[in-house]
Amino acid sequence: KAGVTQTPRYLIKTRGQQVTLSCSPISGHRSVSWYQQTPGQGLQFLFEYFSETQRNKGNFPGRFSGRQFSNSRSEMNVSTLELGDSALYLCASSPNGEKLFFGSGTQLSVL
Amino acid sequence: EDQVTQSPEALRLQEGESSSLNCSYTVSGLRGLFWYRQDPGKGPEFLFTLYSAGEEKEKERLKATLTKKESFLHITAPKPEDSATYLCAATGTASKLTFGTGTRLQVTL
Repeated sequence: KAGVTQTPRYLIKTRGQQVTLSCSPISGHRSVSWYQQTPGQGLQFLFEYFSETQRNKGNFPGRFSGRQFSNSRSEMNVSTLELGDSALYLCASSPNGEKLFFGSGTQLSVL
Repeated sequence: EDQVTQSPEALRLQEGESSSLNCSYTVSGLRGLFWYRQDPGKGPEFLFTLYSAGEEKEKERLKATLTKKESFLHITAPKPEDSATYLCAATGTASKLTFGTGTRLQVTL
């Protein structure tokens, strides 16, 4: 069974640009969550989608948004990038919203 | 607000030297306490879920335990391949998974 796939693996952007990250969950998993990981803050919850609906949201500004498609694939968008947005962005899928299966992440660098 | 605190931040052990990692949590209405392992350049990998105080789970050299305020990850006779960052996370009535910042474990020969 294929794991969680995230693309791209690495991304370099400049301040003010926007970026879209993609996540394909494990087949059959309807819950997809996104996390931001930085050395200082650890993993911070961004949002969770279940059957195309946002079920939960973390404490991030509105520049961070996401969506989930009918095939459970999910995208995350960050607009007007700031230097502090440099991080590893992790996607996780789950059969029940609790036990998470993570992808390898997208390493975003904002210059 | 839910909080999860892990200690120590880093731990260096010799092969065969057993130890424990600590995870203290303040979560309203605990629904689950999770342990993950993360290797460099990879996403976290699920290890255990604990649901109630007194529960214990084991996998190879790892054993996780849970009390009403803390969880411990005991590592017995570790090997170099056990070197990784170990993350603790908890979810409660808010249905949000809160992670600690992890313990970086290095096991040397």
